[in-house]
Amino acid sequence: QVQLVEYGGGVVQPGRSLRLSCAASGFTFSTYAMHWVRQAPGKGLEWVAGISHDGSDKYYADSVKGRFTLSRDIPKNTLYLQMKSLRAEDTAVYYCARDIVTVTSGVFDHWGQGTLVTVSS
Amino acid sequence: EIVLTQSPGTLSLSPGERATLSCRASQNVSSRSLAWYQQRPGQAPRLLIYGVSTRATGIPDRFSGSGSGTDFTLTISRLGPEDFAMYYCQQYGRSPLFGPGTKVDIK
Repeated sequence: QVQLVEYGGGVVQPGRSLRLSCAASGFTFSTYAMHWVRQAPGKGLEWVAGISHDGSDKYYADSVKGRFTLSRDIPKNTLYLQMKSLRAEDTAVYYCARDIVTVTSGVFDHWGQGTLVTVSS
Repeated sequence: EIVLTQSPGTLSLSPGERATLSCRASQNVSSRSLAWYQQRPGQAPRLLIYGVSTRATGIPDRFSGSGSGTDFTLTISRLGPEDFAMYYCQQYGRSPLFGPGTKVDIK
């Protein structure tokens, strides 16, 4: 069965960096686009970034553009989110999500359980 | 920039009742690019509906979606105990956008 396991969250000071990882299993990782979606405590869902099946196309929300970088390692079946210049408003649970197709349609049919990132001094 | 509004904010119903959730977009949603997700407390979201009315794999037929243009509806025909949760509509594409959500709670 499809499994997405996020890790790398934690407490980080404002202005610092953090890298999140998402280990995928149970499906052919190279044939699906992937995304990160976040949810601030007690708030709604916010799409963060998406990457096509082969990594050739990447898209970012305006709120993270220029600070976050999305990548994928197909042989390792792993999705990454490199986050720089973190701000308090980046505090959230970050979910890894699989797209339903190879390109970034933006429909998320499988989700991980999330990893919490807290930006605080 | 498109804005999604969901109403009501909270819907208080009893098990077995019918739930009707609304999602309104500030602009036309192109290519029927509208989805619905359910999120139970402490859990990740789950895809229910995409393409306005197509149920995702494994979603029971008591969930149905309808609408066009700027007005969309998620209907749960008979609420089961596991259906009391938060529901988000989403306009998808290159920059997906979620609505603020409707909470369905037990009356």
